[in-house]
Amino acid sequence: DQQVKQNSPSLSVQEGRISILNCDYTNSMFDYFLWYKKYPAEGPTFLISISSIKDKNEDGRFTVFLNKSAKHLSLHIVPSQPGDSAVYFCAAGANNAGNMLTFGGGTRLMVKP
Amino acid sequence: DGGITQSPKYLFRKEGQNVTLSCEQNLNHDAMYWYRQDPGQGLRLIYYSQIVNDFQKGDIAEGYSVSREKKESFPLTVTSAQKNPTAFYLCASSDDRHNEKLFFGSGTQLSVL
Repeated sequence: DQQVKQNSPSLSVQEGRISILNCDYTNSMFDYFLWYKKYPAEGPTFLISISSIKDKNEDGRFTVFLNKSAKHLSLHIVPSQPGDSAVYFCAAGANNAGNMLTFGGGTRLMVKP
Repeated sequence: DGGITQSPKYLFRKEGQNVTLSCEQNLNHDAMYWYRQDPGQGLRLIYYSQIVNDFQKGDIAEGYSVSREKKESFPLTVTSAQKNPTAFYLCASSDDRHNEKLFFGSGTQLSVL
């Protein structure tokens, strides 16, 4: 049973427009959520995180929104740039579970020039 | 400069053979992890270690073994008992100050001959 799901395997967006990547989870015990970005043949790199006590966190062009009642979070990238083309993983963790994260399946974002 | 080094980048395994993937970090992190990524899937936790000389099974530990004799090193052995070893293997580490953030190596692609 997947506790963290990214239902869109891929997304294509025009440069300069908004990219919205979605993530759903089932475990209400998750305390924090993260987004990682991954280029081919490289390890994921941390992008942005949000605590379950917040509903929004912003860092430059990247904003993460959390809707706890819907068990849904999204990553907004505005404006999208060709260099943002990568696979984005949503991850979730619980404070009583150490540093272990549960990852979604990833969404491949393609930003067209 | 600090980071996580995984080697080799590509590895081939023959039937019935054990192979060991190396992971070294100089970030002075206490915790280290091994994840497996299959095409189109998220990262699944194989083993993790919170401290030297201690490690715990993750979600898919069968067919794998680890050791943590030094803080800097967390090698993963893929044994002959692992019937489907072809995957991209990622090592990660974290510390108590940023326990929600994992730092990943660049990965090892393991294939079966």
